[in-house]
Order: sequence, then C-alpha cells, then structure tokens
Amino acid sequence: GNSVTQMEGPVTLSEEAFLTINCTYTATGYPSLFWYVQYPGEGLQLLLKATKADDKGSNKGFEATYRKETTSFHLEKGSVQVSDSAVYFCALSGPRYALNFGKGTSLLVTP
Amino acid sequence: DTAVSQTPKYLVTQMGNDKSIKCEQNLGHDTMYWYKQDSKKFLKIMFSYNNKELIINETVPNRFSPKSPDKAHLNLHINSLELGDSAVYFCASSQDIRRVTDTQYFGPGTRLTVL
Repeated sequence: GNSVTQMEGPVTLSEEAFLTINCTYTATGYPSLFWYVQYPGEGLQLLLKATKADDKGSNKGFEATYRKETTSFHLEKGSVQVSDSAVYFCALSGPRYALNFGKGTSLLVTP
Repeated sequence: DTAVSQTPKYLVTQMGNDKSIKCEQNLGHDTMYWYKQDSKKFLKIMFSYNNKELIINETVPNRFSPKSPDKAHLNLHINSLELGDSAVYFCASSQDIRRVTDTQYFGPGTRLTVL
C-alpha cells in the first residue's frame, strides 16, 4: 500500500542555516505529493505541493521536487528563520483520496 | 472568515461519556474528512464524506459515528469514550475527492482528553 517515510526529528538548526528534511514514498499509480506545516497549537497548513514527476513546489522560500526515479520529495530551504519552527509533514494522496502522512519532523530554529 | 472551523477547541471528559465534535467549512467544497493525530503527532484518516455520502471508513471502532447533515458540515460523535480516544481530531475539506491533486484544508483541531 501507499506509505510515506520521513526523517526522524527533532531537527535543531541555527538561524540562517540550510534545511533539508528527507521524504521518500511508496505508491501505486501517480500520487500527488504535499508538504504540510503545523505551527505550535495550530492546525495543518499546506506549505507546497507537486502533482507530477519533476514538478517543483515552492512557497515561502521552501522547495521540494517530485522525483519519481528516487521516489522522493525532500523539503529544502536555504536560510531558515526562528519563525519556521514547526512540525513538517510529508504526505501523498492515497488510492482512496485521503492523505497518507509521514510521521512528521519537528524543526526548532534557534537565534 | 475561517475556512474550516471546529468546535469545541478543547474537550475534557470522563471515560464512558458520549461527546460530539462539530465541523463546518465555508469553502463550497464537496468533500470533508476526519483525521486523528495521536500523542506522537502521527496523523491518520478516519472518515471521508463526499456530498454527504460516506466514502472512507477506516478501521475505526463503531463507537465513532460521523454524520453529515449537508455538504458543509461533518460532525463526529463518539460513544462510551475510552482513555485511548485522547488525541487531537482534525477536520479537513477539499474540492472534489476524485481529484488527487486537490489541496486539503484543515481546521484548527479539537484536543480531546479522556480522564
């Protein structure tokens, strides 16, 4: 079945550091891929998405490229800020259209 | 205007009680979902409805019963609450369940604590 594997957290970075959060997936067919972010005490917000192979999603300085050959959708940001501290979820659209989420990666950015 | 709203935000109750969580979306979407987030932040689908019709019913105990009076509302009723039901429950909506590219929009969550 469909599944998503994310790197375990927590990840702690200094402000302005480079961020990578790895995400790989197993899926049948051609799912869409998503990154959602959950700020403390809040619900999930879509950060970016990609709907077909080689698509790059981007938003707020974050990027991720849908790589079918490596079944990956790694999240990157060139320079993180304290306000980026949150939990990041990789997800794919499942065969019955619900989202299959990874376990989430907690990011803490320190000044 | 809040796109997807849930009430209540916090719910503390005793084991064995029955409780309901309400969800409303004003986005004009056809599809609504309930997800459960456990203490380790893991999110799992529970139910989905499309135009008031049940589409997904994961292996959730029968004590959980979703109800969709219209396509803008999806409520979750839980009977005989157990300690293990303590979690954060998120409602979400999307335009059309058949479009795998659609973004799902999430509510703020309801934190349920069963004592």
